[in-house]
Amino acid sequence: AQSVTQPDIHITVSEGASLELRCNYSYGATPYLFWYVQSPGQGLQLLLKYFSGDTLVQGIKGFEAEFKRSQSSFNLRKPSVHWSDAAEYFCAVVYPSGGSNYKLTFGKGTLLTVNP
Amino acid sequence: EADIYQTPRYLVIGTGKKITLECSQTMGHDKMYWYQQDPGMELHLIHYSYGVNSTEKGDLSSESTVSRIRTEHFPLTLESARPSHTSQYLCASSELKRGYTFGSGTRLTVV
Repeated sequence: AQSVTQPDIHITVSEGASLELRCNYSYGATPYLFWYVQSPGQGLQLLLKYFSGDTLVQGIKGFEAEFKRSQSSFNLRKPSVHWSDAAEYFCAVVYPSGGSNYKLTFGKGTLLTVNP
Repeated sequence: EADIYQTPRYLVIGTGKKITLECSQTMGHDKMYWYQQDPGMELHLIHYSYGVNSTEKGDLSSESTVSRIRTEHFPLTLESARPSHTSQYLCASSELKRGYTFGSGTRLTVV
């Protein structure tokens, strides 16, 4: 079965430090990949998405992600973390569920804590 | 400005009550979804719809039901709420494969 793995449950970084959140997927064909961010008690906000083309995609809030087919990965990065980036981050994959329909499957999330 | 709206934002209700969580979107999306999320946990798909009069159960079994009579409206109903239903419920819609838009969620507490 298709799955999305986020190996890190909780990451703590200092403000200004660089950040990388890992995401691996299990799917035979080229997936559609997403990163979402969720602040406490809020809904999900789309950070960036990859469908095809350039494997390095830029998103909002200074985030970027790189699709690596050979590693089945779509890691999220940010060069310098701000305190406001503290949140839960979810990687997600779209896989077909029959015909032209599809469903989004989420990883379990990575909680980011930012120290001052 | 949000394109997908969920009401109520917070709900505290007694056991045995019937409740309906509302979800509406103004984007004309055919596909809509309900996810359930316990605090600090992952999201689980409980219902989805690919268009009017189309509803399906998701990956996580749920005692809730949904309906899709209009494209823009996808309400979720619990006939008899129980404490085990306490959770956050997130509604989303999508078009083709261009990403999902989520509502702000309804945080339900059943006492």
